[in-house]
Amino acid sequence: GAVVSQHPSWVICKSGTSVKIECRSLDFQATTMFWYRQFPKQSLMLMATSNEGSKATYEQGVEKDKFLINHASLTLSTLTVTSAHPEDSSFYICSAHRRGHSSYEQYFGPGTRLTVT
Amino acid sequence: GQQLNQSPQSMFIQEGEDVSMNCTSSSIFNTWLWYKQDPGEGPVLLIALYKAGELTSNGRLTAQFGITRKDSFLNISASIPSDVGIYFCAGVTQGGSEKLVFGKGMKLTVNP
Repeated sequence: GAVVSQHPSWVICKSGTSVKIECRSLDFQATTMFWYRQFPKQSLMLMATSNEGSKATYEQGVEKDKFLINHASLTLSTLTVTSAHPEDSSFYICSAHRRGHSSYEQYFGPGTRLTVT
Repeated sequence: GQQLNQSPQSMFIQEGEDVSMNCTSSSIFNTWLWYKQDPGEGPVLLIALYKAGELTSNGRLTAQFGITRKDSFLNISASIPSDVGIYFCAGVTQGGSEKLVFGKGMKLTVNP
């Protein structure tokens, strides 16, 4: 159990367009989902914390108007990269916190590779 | 912000050898986690540590939570080719929403 999926697994878009990435908890309810960004050969950097039914909390330096997060249900959170630019190219990974469990139990999705041309 | 210093950054070993890696922090964490990430995949949790001084094993993996709560190490014994990947330590922040702070990772290469 505790499977998290992401869609798409990879996407290529043109500069200036928007891209939506979905994160789903397949077999559990997730009250909180986290969005990370990972550049090549770098560690995971937390972008934002997404709570079901409320506004996301963004980390310092992350533009909330550029990275729109919606957590409309207990099994789905979406990240929309608006007006994407080449510097937004990265590996985006989500994780989900299982409802009723301590926060360290974050289950990670397989990631989405975004390339902006 | 909080940062974790992970070392070494990479290791090349022969199959069957043991390997150790560690993580230090200037801040105290009450929970330490070790993850493994394969290329193009999300991290997978290997071991979780909750108490200072705790020593925990998971198969060939052994991890310890330092007494000062500012460090942790991970050992892999009798390495095999599928141990190849990037290993990350992570500390769980306290207060409000608990978040993970990751180390920079250690890339392990195992030569058959």
